Amino acid sequence: AIVLNQSPSSIIASQGEKVTITCRASSSISSNYLHWYQQKPGAFPKLVIYSTSYRASGVPSRFSGSGSGTSYSFTISRVEAEDVATYYCQQGSSNPYTFGAGTKLELK
Amino acid sequence: QVQLKESGPGLVQPSQTLSLTCTVSGFSLTSNSVHWVRQPPGKGLEWVGAIWSGGSTDYNSALKSRLSISRDTSKSQVFLKMNSLQTEDTAIYFCTREQPTLYYFDYWGQGVMVTVSS
Repeated sequence: AIVLNQSPSSIIASQGEKVTITCRASSSISSNYLHWYQQKPGAFPKLVIYSTSYRASGVPSRFSGSGSGTSYSFTISRVEAEDVATYYCQQGSSNPYTFGAGTKLELK
Repeated sequence: QVQLKESGPGLVQPSQTLSLTCTVSGFSLTSNSVHWVRQPPGKGLEWVGAIWSGGSTDYNSALKSRLSISRDTSKSQVFLKMNSLQTEDTAIYFCTREQPTLYYFDYWGQGVMVTVSS
């Protein structure tokens, strides 16, 4: 199984700050199959970025993603209060699908 | 519109069998695969298994010996059965639809909390 090492495990940021999360895969994966989700407390995960860099419907432009091979990143250019959540990367490149361990974003 | 809804018991005794149902609407189980994902309290997401649109299944290797996923396409339902439950199986169980070409999860159920306790 492909292991996704996500870091950091938690971030404390100020509103307006830029934050970046990295997701490193144990094997190379196609960028088509690396995705990012946002999960708020008590809710199901919501797709934010699909195929490395494409924003899902309705997702603000402050969210972006990049990467290739084994190294991927997710960025919020200017954090807003509503972005407080846990973020997960997920690969669909090979079975079994796997998730990163998550990054919890909190506001300072 | 696309919807998924999990149902099942909230409390299961240790060593017993868990049976969950995911009832879907707005799409066909023969067009989209459905996966189960679980989340222990305060922890991350764990892929449990899938039933592919063609009807075959795949399971998390750590759960494979205890797990079965099936479906009834006429009722638009997917079933999860897991036996020999342990306290570590306490989690929210989500069913989710897979986008068929890029393999991400585009629609989710609200999840059902399953507690394993005597």
